[in-house]
Amino acid sequence: DAKTTQPPSMDCAEGRAANLPCNHSTISGNEYVYWYRQIHSQGPQYIIHGLKNNETNEMASLIITEDRKSSTLILPHATLRDTAVYYCIVRVENTDKLIFGTGTRLQVFP
Amino acid sequence: EAGVAQSPRYKIIEKRQSVAFWCNPISGHATLYWYQQILGQGPKLLIQFQNNGVVDDSQLPKDRFSAERLKGVDSTLKIQPAKLEDSAVYLCASSLNLAVSGNTIYFGEGSWLTVV
Repeated sequence: DAKTTQPPSMDCAEGRAANLPCNHSTISGNEYVYWYRQIHSQGPQYIIHGLKNNETNEMASLIITEDRKSSTLILPHATLRDTAVYYCIVRVENTDKLIFGTGTRLQVFP
Repeated sequence: EAGVAQSPRYKIIEKRQSVAFWCNPISGHATLYWYQQILGQGPKLLIQFQNNGVVDDSQLPKDRFSAERLKGVDSTLKIQPAKLEDSAVYLCASSLNLAVSGNTIYFGEGSWLTVV
């Protein structure tokens, strides 16, 4: 299974962009990169996913490097409510499973 | 659109007792998952169903855990007898169909279990 590496924690000032990195150097050609976040006492919330191209939705942008070995989740204007644990996950091929790591704890401060 | 429903939200039991958690996935979702999340860790997959069949239960401690999805819709996860180390959040999730690549998995709010 492809594995991901994320920094354990990051800080970001409210209103600034939060850039969360993820390394997935062993990713296979048809495996997707997914991002979820988990706010305390809630279930994981889907944010965005991508295969090769950069993606953007109302929550965030996902930038995937050309070699697909790393990606960055961008929250363009972080708010206090974005404080959460962010998980970068590679979708296991042909099994439809999500295998979670320990994620990045993002703290947004005023 | 209604999300993944789980109950009970919180449960406290003594060790060696039994407990059951219920999950109702998003309407029309064929694939259902149960995850266990211990405090401070990421969720760990316990079992995955496609309709009423088990796709993967390799991480399910079968001596004490069981799960079923008899009619291919809602599901029950049971623990009997419970141990202290079973204290965790049990998350149910669903997705449209295993065969559709890149489809999204949606999670419920979880059932918090404390074993004392």
